[in-house]
Amino acid sequence: DVVMTQSPLSLPVTLGQPASISCRSSQSLVYSDGNTYLTWFQQRPGQSPRRLIYKVSNRDSGVPDRFSGSGSGTDFTLKISRVEAEDVGVYYCMQGTHWPRTFGQGTKVEIK
Amino acid sequence: EVQLVESGGGLVQPGGSLRLSCAASGFTFSSYNMNWVRQAPGKGLEWVSHISSGSDTIYYADSVKGRFTISRDNAKNSLYLQMNSLRDEDMAVYYCVVKGRWGQGTLVTVSS
Repeated sequence: DVVMTQSPLSLPVTLGQPASISCRSSQSLVYSDGNTYLTWFQQRPGQSPRRLIYKVSNRDSGVPDRFSGSGSGTDFTLKISRVEAEDVGVYYCMQGTHWPRTFGQGTKVEIK
Repeated sequence: EVQLVESGGGLVQPGGSLRLSCAASGFTFSSYNMNWVRQAPGKGLEWVSHISSGSDTIYYADSVKGRFTISRDNAKNSLYLQMNSLRDEDMAVYYCVVKGRWGQGTLVTVSS
């Protein structure tokens, strides 16, 4: 199985400051069709997960543009340009290239 | 708007069975692959099973293979998960997921 490793697992941030989460996969996530199926989810306290980013860098509708995704191959990053209070929660990366689908352990973002 | 409503969760003894349902609306259900993902209390996300739009391709996580069966009824816009031989470690909130959208989840509690 493809192992997804996120870091850090806990991320205290100051409001208005940037934040960055790393996600590394044990195998390349480039699929035979040329796409890279790396997705980022946000789970706010007490809520279901919500997709933020798909195929590495595509923001979902309604996702603020302070969220951005980047990376390639096995190394990916989610960045929040200026953290707001509503960004508190746990962020997960997930690979959709190989079976079984696998998630990172989650990164808990909290306000300092 | 995509809506996914899970039901069927509850308390079951170890070794027991449960059938989860997911009622879908707001999109052409028969055109989309569907997934079940679970989250144990206080833990991260774990992909459980996938079914293609026409039910011809099905995958399971090793942890549930041979015990869980995914199915769908495109005429009823519904997704199902038959869970047999339930174990303590199957206790979780089970989410129905499509196109990056998640339902509210249904809680399965396994306890004697």
